[in-house]
Amino acid sequence: GESVGLHLPTLSVQEGDNSIINCAYSNSASDYFIWYKQESGKGPQFIIDIRSNMDKRQGQRVTVLLNKTVKHLSLQIAATQPGDSAVYFCAETASEKLTFGTGTRLTIIP
Amino acid sequence: NAGVMQNPRHLVRRRGQEARLRCSPMKGHSHVYWYRQLPEEGLKFMVYLQKENIIDESGMPKERFSAEFPKEGPSILRIQQVVRGDSAAYFCASSPSVFGQGWNGYTFGSGTRLTVV
Repeated sequence: GESVGLHLPTLSVQEGDNSIINCAYSNSASDYFIWYKQESGKGPQFIIDIRSNMDKRQGQRVTVLLNKTVKHLSLQIAATQPGDSAVYFCAETASEKLTFGTGTRLTIIP
Repeated sequence: NAGVMQNPRHLVRRRGQEARLRCSPMKGHSHVYWYRQLPEEGLKFMVYLQKENIIDESGMPKERFSAEFPKEGPSILRIQQVVRGDSAAYFCASSPSVFGQGWNGYTFGSGTRLTVV
């Protein structure tokens, strides 16, 4: 079946640097994408989303880029802080049913 | 706004027992979703319900698992005769509307961690 995958399972970043988390998706019918942050023992928390008619969307310290040609999604976090340490999931959908990637664990180095 | 409430947070069951997981959606949300997460993995869709209706149960195992969202009260995910492989975190989410323009995904609860011993 269709799946969403991530290039890197772990990412360590110096505090204050920018982080980039990548995601590849395979369902060309997907038209809505979401990035979630999951801290230990908690549920996924919405970070930012993007629809297929856009290629970039910015939020507070976060930017999502969508490249439909190569089916690639990325999450950029500016000026990474200790509180950004978590597992980040991308999810894609063409309906109410989300397909999640495996996740990338982001670790912040003080 | 209390958010999506799940209980219990942790549940331990012996093999063969029944597990009942409860989910109260956010106020005003009539769409409920259940997902399962194994350790170090992403979430996997199980079922999508609206009040008194199962809309999509394509992710539910064919046996032992059932879900409901009654007219009154929380949504219930029931697992009968649990086995060790059922050990996982089960997350509920809710949304106020159907998928389409303006849909912003859903809000997740904190999950129920089921351990089968």
